[in-house]
Amino acid sequence: NAGVMQNPRHLVRRRGQEARLRCSPMKGHSHVYWYRQLPEEGLKFMVYLQKENIIDESGMPKERFSAEFPKEGPSILRIQQVVRGDSAAYFCASSPATGGLFEQYFGPGTRLTVT
Amino acid sequence: GESVGLHLPTLSVQEGDNSIINCAYSNSASDYFIWYKQESGKGPQFIIDIRSNMDKRQGQRVTVLLNKTVKHLSLQIAATQPGDSAVYFCTTVAGGTSYGKLTFGQGTILTVHP
Repeated sequence: NAGVMQNPRHLVRRRGQEARLRCSPMKGHSHVYWYRQLPEEGLKFMVYLQKENIIDESGMPKERFSAEFPKEGPSILRIQQVVRGDSAAYFCASSPATGGLFEQYFGPGTRLTVT
Repeated sequence: GESVGLHLPTLSVQEGDNSIINCAYSNSASDYFIWYKQESGKGPQFIIDIRSNMDKRQGQRVTVLLNKTVKHLSLQIAATQPGDSAVYFCTTVAGGTSYGKLTFGQGTILTVHP
């Protein structure tokens, strides 16, 4: 059973370009979460999605950031017009569909560098 | 506001010793707690969890203790091994509308010397 997959693992973008980060949850998981980690800090929640629904986006910056989890295909975190401050590691996690509290399984992350 | 913090940012131990990593949390609505381990360049790895209706839970070589009265969580690692060297995060989940949102602490760096 493959774990959470993220690609690309490393992404370099110039200021003003767009960054697209992809996340495929574990098989059977339909809940996806995105977190951002700055160097030497803990992870900060960004957004929680289920298939075709955004459940909680309270951690997402109001501008330039968007996320989706379509019926088919991976979840996408999109950052438009990137700035140097967007440089960070972005982690995706997934959990099962049933109700209750479940552990979240994390992917290896995408390290975004904005030059 | 909600925050999760750790008492000690770094911990160095000798191989074979027991390690204790502490964590304080502020949100009394937290009802689920998870310890994660993160190795350099990797994503967080689940270690052990505990629900708010429990005060202790044991796994393989690890024990988590929860004291809701003082909002304190600890992770005990028995017979620490060099492979345990990593950053350890305690995380909390509050119920209701915050369900699914993990709040991470700053992290404790554990270094195990052979």
